[in-house]
Amino acid sequence: AQSVTQPDIHITVSEGASLELRCNYSYGATPYLFWYVQSPGQGLQLLLKYFSGDTLVQGIKGFEAEFKRSQSSFNLRKPSVHWSDAAEYFCAVGAGASYDKVIFGPGTSLSVIP
Amino acid sequence: DTGVSQNPRHKITKRGQNVTFRCDPISEHNRLYWYRQTLGQGPEFLTYFQNEAQLEKSRLLSDRFSAERPKGSFSTLEIQRTEQGDSAMYLCASSFAETLAEAFFGQGTRLTVV
Repeated sequence: AQSVTQPDIHITVSEGASLELRCNYSYGATPYLFWYVQSPGQGLQLLLKYFSGDTLVQGIKGFEAEFKRSQSSFNLRKPSVHWSDAAEYFCAVGAGASYDKVIFGPGTSLSVIP
Repeated sequence: DTGVSQNPRHKITKRGQNVTFRCDPISEHNRLYWYRQTLGQGPEFLTYFQNEAQLEKSRLLSDRFSAERPKGSFSTLEIQRTEQGDSAMYLCASSFAETLAEAFFGQGTRLTVV
């Protein structure tokens, strides 16, 4: 069965520091991978996605993620964090015969110190 | 278009009562999803529709839960005989079929069962 793990429940970084959020997935076929962000009181917003092609994917808000098949990982990175990046981040994998639903990881909560 | 709209935003109900939530998707989207999210967890897939057809239901969706999308537009999620364990955020998302990555989420309905 498809699953997603996010090893870090909570991460705190200083504003301006770099960020890496870890994600590992379990999926038999070619995965369809996503990162979503959820700010307090807001809906889930798609940051970026990967299906095929270049394994380094650029997203919105200056985020990028790298797909590593050998490690079953899809880690999210940002070179310089802003205070407004404080939120909950979810890694997810497309599932089903036609990728018709998304399986989410448990999330990583990001705090940013001014 | 104002995106995916969910009503109500908050619902407090007594155990044993029935509740109904509504989701209005982005108008041209033919797929509609329901997810449930409990505190500190990622969203869990409940069910989805393509037009008016309910194509998949998670085993999380017990017999007390029913979802409809009668005209392929808005959808309702009803919970009968609510239990305290039903307390959660109920999220709705919509997309075009086969472009799952472009699913747009509403802000959710937070249900509290007392």
